[in-house]
Amino acid sequence: GESVGLHLPTLSVQEGDNSIINCAYSNSASDYFIWYKQESGKGPQFIIDIRSNMDKRQGQRVTVLLNKTVKHLSLQIAATQPGDSAVYFCAEKPNTGNQFYFGTGTSLTVIP
Amino acid sequence: KAGVTQTPRYLIKTRGQQVTLSCSPISGHRSVSWYQQTPGQGLQFLFEYFSETQRNKGNFPGRFSGRQFSNSRSEMNVSTLELGDSALYLCASSRTWDEQYFGPGTRLTVT
Repeated sequence: GESVGLHLPTLSVQEGDNSIINCAYSNSASDYFIWYKQESGKGPQFIIDIRSNMDKRQGQRVTVLLNKTVKHLSLQIAATQPGDSAVYFCAEKPNTGNQFYFGTGTSLTVIP
Repeated sequence: KAGVTQTPRYLIKTRGQQVTLSCSPISGHRSVSWYQQTPGQGLQFLFEYFSETQRNKGNFPGRFSGRQFSNSRSEMNVSTLELGDSALYLCASSRTWDEQYFGPGTRLTVT
């Protein structure tokens, strides 16, 4: 089966610092990736996506980097705020089928 | 634009019973996927429907089934509930296959 893993299960950062959350994926045929944020008691919230024909995409305070050579995905959050505290998941979709595979998640805690 | 809605939000059932969960996708979205989320297993894919047809199915027993209606609303059913079925059941919708948006989930507790 697919394997999407996260390097760090927990991450603590000071408010105002930048956060980097990493994700490794195993299927080189994956061509679409999404980062989600999940707060306690809520469903995952779409943050940003990237297709395999790109290596970087920026959103509001977030940047996703894709390194296909080493099958690595990262989410960078600029000027981290207390409201960013949540579990972050990466999801990959292979170029065949319509199923997404999710990582186990990284819990981000922002220290005021 | 309204987001994905799921009903009910919370449910308590007894072993052996069956349950039906409902999902209304974002307007215009034709794909609906269902996931089971547990602390030990994370997010696991159940199945995906597009235009009333099941396109993909995960590795769950036949007790888990679903369907999609012509208005894209979807239901999933779990029969003969087991304690291990206690989980957060999430529904996600997308236009075709990308930009998947999740609902708040249904928290199912089996006693």
